[in-house]
Amino acid sequence: DIVMTQTPLSLSVTPGQPASISCKSSQSLLHSDGKTYLYWYLQKPGQPPQLLIYEASNRFSGVPERFSGSGSETDFTLKISRVEAEDVGVYYCLQSIQLRTFGGGTRVEI
Amino acid sequence: QVQLVQSGAEVKKPGASVKVSCKASGYSFTSYGFGISWVRQAPGQGLEWMGWTIPYNSDTKYAQNLQGRVIMTTDTSTSTAYMELRSLRSDDTAVYYCARDPGGFDIWGQGTMVTVSS
Repeated sequence: DIVMTQTPLSLSVTPGQPASISCKSSQSLLHSDGKTYLYWYLQKPGQPPQLLIYEASNRFSGVPERFSGSGSETDFTLKISRVEAEDVGVYYCLQSIQLRTFGGGTRVEI
Repeated sequence: QVQLVQSGAEVKKPGASVKVSCKASGYSFTSYGFGISWVRQAPGQGLEWMGWTIPYNSDTKYAQNLQGRVIMTTDTSTSTAYMELRSLRSDDTAVYYCARDPGGFDIWGQGTMVTVSS
């Protein structure tokens, strides 16, 4: 089974400042079709998760440009260029190359 | 618009079964590229993938720790997916989500709270 490890567990940020979350997988998420099956989600309190980034680096429809995803193979990063108050919540990475596995989550607070 | 609407909250006793529904609209439920995954979240905990079903061909895959207790099905005539969990235990208390799965989860249901308590 693929294990997804997120760091840090929690992050306290100042509005307007950048933030970065790491996600490492125990196996490469690069498929032979050329796609990398790594996704990022934000779960705000009391809501279902919402998709931010798909296939490692593509912003989902409607996601603000301040969110970006990067990385390859086993090491990935979600960056928020300038954190806003509405960005608080728990961020999760997900792999879908072999069944599906979530990372443990990173709580972001202001 | 594309949406998934789940059934309401349930309270069950240990040993019982629960069946949660997830009605899809706004897209072709049986298109080859779209599965439905089920994810649960225990109170204050992270997200756990439970398994998926592919409406196109009824293929299913379950997380190893739930094999033998979970059944995922679809009714293509009503564009509805179902997740049945048997032999409920207290640690099955969680919010259960369905999500459209074209490779990741792009659209989520609102969640269904299942409480297991004697």
